[in-house]
Amino acid sequence: EIVLTQSPATLSLSPGERATLSCRASQSVHIFLAWFQQKPGQAPRLLIYDASKRATGIPARFSGSGSGTDFTLTISSLEPEDFAVYYCQQRIDWPIFTFGPGTKVDIK
Amino acid sequence: QITLKESGPTLVKPTQTLTLTCTFSGFSFSTSGEAVGWIRQPPGKALEWLGFIYWDDDKRYRPSLRSRLTITKDTSKKQVVLTLTNMDPVDTATYYCAHILGDYPMYWGQGTLVTVSS
Repeated sequence: EIVLTQSPATLSLSPGERATLSCRASQSVHIFLAWFQQKPGQAPRLLIYDASKRATGIPARFSGSGSGTDFTLTISSLEPEDFAVYYCQQRIDWPIFTFGPGTKVDIK
Repeated sequence: QITLKESGPTLVKPTQTLTLTCTFSGFSFSTSGEAVGWIRQPPGKALEWLGFIYWDDDKRYRPSLRSRLTITKDTSKKQVVLTLTNMDPVDTATYYCAHILGDYPMYWGQGTLVTVSS
């Protein structure tokens, strides 16, 4: 089973700052990695799939990069609504599409 | 507009069987590669895939749950049903169904919290 590790566990930033979140896979997932945002009491929302493709309706301030085992989600300038938990998920180790443990982005 | 909604009991006793229904709209579930999946999240913890069913009735289950989990669909009713037997308190979680394309959960239901307790 592919294990995803996310860092940092918590990221404390102010609105307007740049957020850089990391996801590392225990073995190559090529580009088959997605990022999700989850706010308290809500379902996750797909942000990025295939490492760098923005999902429908996702603002351009969200971008994804990486391949193989190392991936990054970047939020170029944090808006108040971006403070949430972010999960990465791989889809290559079918049918066990594991999620990472999450990174919480909170207000500094 | 694609929407999904989970329904079922909020409380089940240990050893009982959980049956959840996902009612969807906005897609016909006939597109190649399309699937509906189930994902759960224990309180305060991360997300966990359970399994999914493809448009052609092909099914995939999390290996650790294969003996307990069944997913079926009724396209005419626009429903997908999850059955999980022999429930245990560790199965307490919010259960989500999701519309899957390209093996990514693109659209999610709101989730339903299921508590396992005697």
